[in-house]
Amino acid sequence: TQLLEQSPQFLSIQEGENLTVYCNSSSVFSSLQWYRQEPGEGPVLLVTVVTGGEVKKLKRLTFQFGDARKDSSLHITAAQPGDTGLYLCAGAEAAGNKLTFGGGTRVLVKP
Amino acid sequence: DAGVIQSPRHEVTEMGQEVTLRCKPISGHNSLFWYRQTMMRGLELLIYFNNNVPIDDSGMPEDRFSAKMPNASFSTLKIQPSEPRDSAVYFCASRKTSPGELFFGEGSRLTVL
Repeated sequence: TQLLEQSPQFLSIQEGENLTVYCNSSSVFSSLQWYRQEPGEGPVLLVTVVTGGEVKKLKRLTFQFGDARKDSSLHITAAQPGDTGLYLCAGAEAAGNKLTFGGGTRVLVKP
Repeated sequence: DAGVIQSPRHEVTEMGQEVTLRCKPISGHNSLFWYRQTMMRGLELLIYFNNNVPIDDSGMPEDRFSAKMPNASFSTLKIQPSEPRDSAVYFCASRKTSPGELFFGEGSRLTVL
């Protein structure tokens, strides 16, 4: 079983600050996804990265896949209270079907 | 188009009782996943199906848990007998392609007293 470790587990920042969440594994993934989950709801996909070294931007969110496809990061610029939530990374094995989630990073952006 | 539909949204039961959770995936999706989420263990994959066939059930905790997918539009997760440590939010998710987006239902919150 591939293990995905996320850090930090919890992050509390003021509106306007930047933050970075990390997702690390000793295993190689064929693809990696980031999801955000709000209380009482299921996770919702933010992005999928498949190529080592790939960088994707989604408005104020920047996602990076490590060159070796073992790690990823999510950077949020000028965080807003609406960014509050549980951020989850999920890695797919070579076969692509089985998706394993990291433990999550709970982000709180205070106004 | 309707999303993934799960029922019940909330279930409170007593230890030893049978619990059945239900899921209707998005029409046209070929893969269905059951996850369990707790504060301590996060989001754990229990089992997933491709084209109604169980592919990997290594995450199913023990024999008390069973899952079926009799057709492309319905799946169940059954716990018999239930125990307090089974208390969690159970999510069903479906996907059309791999490594495509996983669409989650709103979850079934189970409390076993």
